[in-house]
Amino acid sequence: EIVMTQSPATLSVSPGERATLSCRASQSVSSNLAWYQQKPGQAPRLLISGASTRATGVPARFSGSGSGTEFTLTINSLQSEDFAIYYCQQYNNWPLTFGGGTKVEIK
Amino acid sequence: QVHLVDSGGGVVQPGRSLRLSCAASGFTFRSYDMHWVRQAPGKGLEWVALISYDGTDKYYADSVKGRFTISRDNSKNTLYLQMNSLRAEDTAVYYCARDGGGADYWGQGTLVTVSS
Repeated sequence: EIVMTQSPATLSVSPGERATLSCRASQSVSSNLAWYQQKPGQAPRLLISGASTRATGVPARFSGSGSGTEFTLTINSLQSEDFAIYYCQQYNNWPLTFGGGTKVEIK
Repeated sequence: QVHLVDSGGGVVQPGRSLRLSCAASGFTFRSYDMHWVRQAPGKGLEWVALISYDGTDKYYADSVKGRFTISRDNSKNTLYLQMNSLRAEDTAVYYCARDGGGADYWGQGTLVTVSS
């Protein structure tokens, strides 16, 4: 099983600043990596697939990069609605696996 | 628009069974692979199972293999998860999701509580 490790567990950021979230895979997942956003009481929302392709309707301030084992989600100019938990997921190998999540909170 | 409605959750005793359903609309259901993903209270996301668009291929997390069965009825646009031999650690919100390079659309989730 591929283990996905996200860091940091919690990120404190001021509105308008940039947030950089990391996701590391225990072995290569090529570019088969997705990022999700989840707010309290809601289902997750797909932000990024293929490591860097924004899903429909996702604002341009969200960007993904990386391949192989190291991935980054960058959120530029954080808005109030961006404070949430973010998960990465690999879909290169069975079983599919999620990272433990990064909570982005208001500083 | 794409709409997924999860149902069938509830309180069940350990060792018993439960079947979840996911009603799909707004897209060609028979053309998409489908997932079940769960989330224990206060915890992160855990992928549970995937079924191919035509039902021929199925994949499971190790934690549910041999106890859970994913299936679908393309004539009814419905996805199922049959859960047998339930354990306390299966307590979670269960989401169905459409596969689109990652899970691109999600249901609202249905809560399963396994408790005596």
